[in-house]
Amino acid sequence: QKEVEQNSGPLSVPEGAIASLNCTYSDRVSQSFFWYRQYSGKSPELIMSIYSNGDKEDGRFTAQLNKASQYVSLLIRDSQPSDSATYLCAGGGSQGNLIFGKGTKLSVKP
Amino acid sequence: NAGVTQTPKFRILKIGQSMTLQCAQDMNHNYMYWYRQDPGMGLKLIYYSVGAGITDKGEVPNGYNVSRSTTEDFPLRLELAAPSQTSVYFCASSPTSSYNSPLHFGNGTRLTVT
Repeated sequence: QKEVEQNSGPLSVPEGAIASLNCTYSDRVSQSFFWYRQYSGKSPELIMSIYSNGDKEDGRFTAQLNKASQYVSLLIRDSQPSDSATYLCAGGGSQGNLIFGKGTKLSVKP
Repeated sequence: NAGVTQTPKFRILKIGQSMTLQCAQDMNHNYMYWYRQDPGMGLKLIYYSVGAGITDKGEVPNGYNVSRSTTEDFPLRLELAAPSQTSVYFCASSPTSSYNSPLHFGNGTRLTVT
């Protein structure tokens, strides 16, 4: 199993719907997780961090961490066309660095 | 607020040439990082630094070198460019470990080696 895995997509949702992005991780990844958003041709920007088992909400975004099943997810409610981007999941690695997944491309259709 | 500044934005190199990618941050962050991103792939860590004078290898350090003589600057050196180094390079910084604080990214350098 790769250390951080994501479905590359593309994931297409209609405007106003809930977008659900998922990420699984291996034993080599620690329990701190992050979601970065990357618009095409731009640099990544942090949108959510989660450290504890359970849910964390910030506006339209909810991150969920399930340590027993080793997955972390990001829900985007009331999806907007401006949410169309690639979403990178990252977890803490054994070297003290972040390990990134390949990213899931999200397309929100008006 | 300049944040993290990378130069150049684009560069084309011939095989065997050398170059330095510049990175500077004005946020007084101790931690700095160099990542590369290949098409459809996530970010791979090349080198990182936890403070001036201290550098360490990441996942993919071969073919690269770094130095950290000041808190602000963290240049990445390519000595003998190879086509496999064609990629987008991102420099990033954080006040503490990336485990606990967000990474602030520069705008990237798109490098092509032909």
